[in-house]
Amino acid sequence: NAGVTQTPKFQVLKTGQSMTLQCAQDMNHEYMSWYRQDPGMGLRLIHYSVGAGITDQGEVPNGYNVSRSTTEDFPLRLLSAAPSQTSVYFCASSYWTSGSYEQYFGPGTRLTVT
Amino acid sequence: AQKITQTQPGMFVQEKEAVTLDCTYDTSDQSYGLFWYKQPSSGEMIFLIYQGSYDEQNATEGRYSLNFQKARKSANLVISASQLGDSAMYFCAMRGSISNFGNEKLTFGTGTRLTIIP
Repeated sequence: NAGVTQTPKFQVLKTGQSMTLQCAQDMNHEYMSWYRQDPGMGLRLIHYSVGAGITDQGEVPNGYNVSRSTTEDFPLRLLSAAPSQTSVYFCASSYWTSGSYEQYFGPGTRLTVT
Repeated sequence: AQKITQTQPGMFVQEKEAVTLDCTYDTSDQSYGLFWYKQPSSGEMIFLIYQGSYDEQNATEGRYSLNFQKARKSANLVISASQLGDSAMYFCAMRGSISNFGNEKLTFGTGTRLTIIP
């Protein structure tokens, strides 16, 4: 049981480049989310998914795309990287039922856009 | 709109003492959820505890408890018998409209850095 895995752990991009951050979970959780964390701040939700084929925007979705073709995978695509997207990115999966909640995070991806 | 306020940027506590980390929130939702997370210096994010707005009892998870005072809109985290490994950044967060299980939109506070002194 690997939990939530994220790749890569570190990435440097030039402005205008595109890339995909990978996220996978093996807990069969329905809900998956992408957050970004900027220095001195808490997490901000980028996009989330409530199941395969269903995604929705979070607080800061501009410049990012997601898809959820399987329960396990939830990749985040940066369409045209900008310096403002320099951040640490966390993927999370969660399990929610009435009165019970579990959430697990991946180790994070530290992205620098120059 | 939802807002989380954590007014303690940093705290120093003697090992084995109890710790209370403050969190106040603002929301117009009738049903909502409150969460606490721990982020050690290694950078990982760890979910600690959850409290639903309609839960009558305060949530507890091991040494962690959430002191939920609905009228005061506060959701303080209490750590009993603190340990050196508790040194970390702690974030309070909330989720609105928990009657809709599809809503994963969490709003985070800015965090409190807790340092446990031996």
